[in-house]
Amino acid sequence: GAVVSQHPSRVICKSGTSVKIECRSLDFQATTMFWYRQFPKQSLMLMATSNEGSKATYEQGVEKDKFLINHASLTLSTLTVTSAHPEDSSFYICSAREGTPEFTDTQYFGPGTRLTVL
Amino acid sequence: QKEVEQDPGPLSVPEGAIVSLNCTYSNSAFQYFMWYRQYSRKGPELLMYTYSSGNKEDGRFTAQVDKSSKYISLFIRDSQPSDSATYLCAMSRNQGGKLIFGQGTELSVKP
Repeated sequence: GAVVSQHPSRVICKSGTSVKIECRSLDFQATTMFWYRQFPKQSLMLMATSNEGSKATYEQGVEKDKFLINHASLTLSTLTVTSAHPEDSSFYICSAREGTPEFTDTQYFGPGTRLTVL
Repeated sequence: QKEVEQDPGPLSVPEGAIVSLNCTYSNSAFQYFMWYRQYSRKGPELLMYTYSSGNKEDGRFTAQVDKSSKYISLFIRDSQPSDSATYLCAMSRNQGGKLIFGQGTELSVKP
């Protein structure tokens, strides 16, 4: 099956610093990638949708200047949390969808990145 | 009111039991329904995918969708300790559309 990787799996940073998280589709080309945020024992909340070569579309309430998304190639999307604060501490998960949707139109999820801001 | 409601549990059952997991939703425009399994500190894994109303079976798993009641279910037969995870329902209005997730139900299957 399709594999999506994320790096790093865990990161601890100081308040005010920026953190970059990578999401890669390893064996397929992903024209669309999604970034989610998940708090403990809560659901996944979509933050933004990114399409290769174009600007990301952010969900209502998500600051685009704080959460920078770059989808530079068909296999790589990055999320940069700028000037991180403790309230940004969360589990960030990406997913990727192949360019030609089959009936299942599956999103394949990465393993997630746990961000802790001190 | 949330678009998708799911009892967070936790739900604890003995090995071999039949497990029933459910979600209700408010938006009749949803047409695509999914169940994901998420192990602790991991990303979600797709278990079942259903379009519109009806049943779908895959091994020990059966997904049911009742659009008239805005109610979906996942049944797990002969549950195993390895089934212990959080189960998330998700749905979308159109193919490839934005997924709306339920809160997830934490399941524990005891040996």
